[in-house]
Amino acid sequence: DSGVTQTPKHLITATGQRVTLRCSPRSGDLSVYWYQQSLDQGLQFLIQYYNGEERAKGNILERFSAQQFPDLHSELNLSSLELGDSALYFCASSASGGRYGYTFGSGTRLTVV
Amino acid sequence: GQNIDQPTEMTATEGAIVQINCTYQTSGFNGLFWYQQHAGEAPTFLSYNVLDGLEEKGRFSSFLSRSKGYSYLLLKELQMKDSASYLCAVNNAGNMLTFGGGTRLMVKP
Repeated sequence: DSGVTQTPKHLITATGQRVTLRCSPRSGDLSVYWYQQSLDQGLQFLIQYYNGEERAKGNILERFSAQQFPDLHSELNLSSLELGDSALYFCASSASGGRYGYTFGSGTRLTVV
Repeated sequence: GQNIDQPTEMTATEGAIVQINCTYQTSGFNGLFWYQQHAGEAPTFLSYNVLDGLEEKGRFSSFLSRSKGYSYLLLKELQMKDSASYLCAVNNAGNMLTFGGGTRLMVKP
C-alpha cells in the first residue's frame, strides 16, 4: 500500500455520461497530481493541486475538471465521456511540490462503452 | 520546453545486464527519477539522482551527467519479474516531474 488511495478501481460507463474519480493523498502530502495513461502510452499530466489551489495544468480537456478539498482529498470529474477517454487514471501525491518525487495510487481503470 | 527521450522498447536475457538510457532537455533541473511500472499497475520509485555520478541500490544502479543531460538505469542479474516499463522523470525548476514516454523492457528466458 503506497498510502495514496484511489477509488473506484474500475469503472465502466456509457458514452456521454459523467464520472467522478477520487483520490486521498498520502498523509502529510499537500500536492496532488492527476495523470491519464491510455493503453501502451506514457503518462499524460492533467492537473496539479497544492493545498487546495490549482498549481499547474497539462493537457486537460475542457470536459474534465478537478478540485482539492480542505481535507486534501481530490476529485477528477470527467463529463460527456467519449470512447477515447478509456484509460488508466492515476493520482499521485508529494510532500513538497514534487521535489522528492511522487507516490502513485493504484489507479482507476475507466472503460467507456 | 521539456523534452525527455528514452528508447521505446528493449529486450534482454534473464541473468544478463541491461542499460536503459535517458536524455533530457528541461527548463531547470532539481533531480532525476527512475520509476518501474508493471502493466496495468502504478509506477513505483526506483532511484533518484541529483548530483553527477552513480547511485547503486542492489541490482539496480542509476547514473547522472548533468552537463550532458543524460542518465541511465542499469539492471544487473536480470530476472523475469524485471519485465516492465521504466520511466525516466525530471524534476524541473518548478518542482514538477516531467515523464519520458517509458522504455518497455522484455526479459526472455
